[in-house]
Amino acid sequence: DGGITQSPKYLFRKEGQNVTLSCEQNLNHDAMYWYRQDPGQGLRLIYYSQIVNDFQKGDIAEGYSVSREKKESFPLTVTSAQKNPTAFYLCASTPQEGINYGYTFGSGTRLTVV
Amino acid sequence: GESVGLHLPTLSVQEGDNSIINCAYSNSASDYFIWYKQESGKGPQFIIDIRSNMDKRQGQRVTVLLNKTVKHLSLQIAATQPGDSAVYFCAEISSGNTPLVFGKGTRLSVIA
Repeated sequence: DGGITQSPKYLFRKEGQNVTLSCEQNLNHDAMYWYRQDPGQGLRLIYYSQIVNDFQKGDIAEGYSVSREKKESFPLTVTSAQKNPTAFYLCASTPQEGINYGYTFGSGTRLTVV
Repeated sequence: GESVGLHLPTLSVQEGDNSIINCAYSNSASDYFIWYKQESGKGPQFIIDIRSNMDKRQGQRVTVLLNKTVKHLSLQIAATQPGDSAVYFCAEISSGNTPLVFGKGTRLSVIA
C-alpha cells in the first residue's frame, strides 16, 4: 500500500540536542511539507519542498533544517536553536500537478523536551 | 489518548443530530478549500473539498458550503455519529504552488 511514514512516533530530546524526524513516502509525490501542531492552534508550516534538492522556508522555519536528497524522503532536524520544540510534528505530501491538491499526511511524531 | 488541541473551540452535539462547523478564511484570493478530520494522535484525513467557483458540494453525510462574499466556509455533518468525534480543520490555498494554510480547528464532541 502506498503511504507516508513518519518515525519515530514519540521522541524525547534533551536540552541543547539536535534531533531528526523521518518522513518517507512511496506515493511518487513531488511535494513534501512539514507542519508543527501545538495545543489550541492549527497546523503551522515549517518547511516545504516541491522538488528534489530544493526547499523553501515556511512561517516558522527558525530553529529547524531540512534536506531533500531523494524524492521519497524529507527529514526534519530540530536544532538546539529551536527554543520551544515540544510539539506534534506532521509531514505531508502531494502531487505537484495543478488539479489535485489533496495532501496525504503521516501519522505524526510527538517530540518532547526533557 | 493524546490531545492535539487543549483550547480549541468545541462543539458538542447529540448522536443523530446534524453538526455544523464553521470556518472564516482570510485570503480573498484563495480558490480551493479542504476540510480535514483529525483524531487524537493521528494525522489529518481528507473529508471534502470545494473550489471557489462552487458554493456547495456534497459527499457522503457531509456538505461543504462556501460563501465568498463573507469569506466563510462551513462543514455540515448529517446524523452525527460517535466516530465523528475529532478535531476538524479547514484549509485554503490561493494558487497551485503555494502550501495549504490551515485554520485553528474545532473540536467536535458527540454525546451518545
